Amino acid sequence: DQQVKQNSPSLSVQEGRISILNCDYTNSMFDYFLWYKKYPAEGPTFLISISSIKDKNEDGRFTVFLNKSAKHLSLHIVPSQPGDSAVYFCAASYGAGKSTFGDGTTLTVKP
Amino acid sequence: GAVVSQHPSRVICKSGTSVKIECRSLDFQATTMFWYRQFPKQSLMLMATSNEGSKATYEQGVEKDKFLINHASLTLSTLTVTSAHPEDSSFYICSARVLGSEKLFFGSGTQLSVL
Repeated sequence: DQQVKQNSPSLSVQEGRISILNCDYTNSMFDYFLWYKKYPAEGPTFLISISSIKDKNEDGRFTVFLNKSAKHLSLHIVPSQPGDSAVYFCAASYGAGKSTFGDGTTLTVKP
Repeated sequence: GAVVSQHPSRVICKSGTSVKIECRSLDFQATTMFWYRQFPKQSLMLMATSNEGSKATYEQGVEKDKFLINHASLTLSTLTVTSAHPEDSSFYICSARVLGSEKLFFGSGTQLSVL
């Protein structure tokens, strides 16, 4: 059973517009959620995170929203830039345990 | 931010040989490191959790005798793929967690190609 799901394998947006990447989870024990960005042939890099006690966290162009009742989180990138083109992984964890990753969403930002 | 160094970045080997991949935390101590495997266009598959000074914890379906993990110090974990076969060809990535933080810091990955 996949506990973290990113149902959209790919997303394409125009430069300057908003990119919205979605993530759903099933385990209500998860209390910390993270987004990572990955370029081909490189390791992922941390982007932004949110604790389950919050519903929004913002860092520059990146905002993560958490809807605990729906077990859903989303990453908003505004404005989108061509350099944002990458694979974005959603991850969830609880306690000091291991992180569970979604399958990733490939974002393409067109100039 | 914390830096995790992974070497080699790319290795090509013959079938039947063993390959060692190193993962080092450069500016922090990592009591726990994680090893992943990623196939093309697929998610990160956690293989094992490497604990400093103790045996690694392997995920279901991962052969511990094939993927040997050693975490001898607080800054170094190694993954050895023993008797590699073409089906072991993949992108292997390590990560480490800073004590007290939920964030994972990843190495740059190792592309293993077994001929």
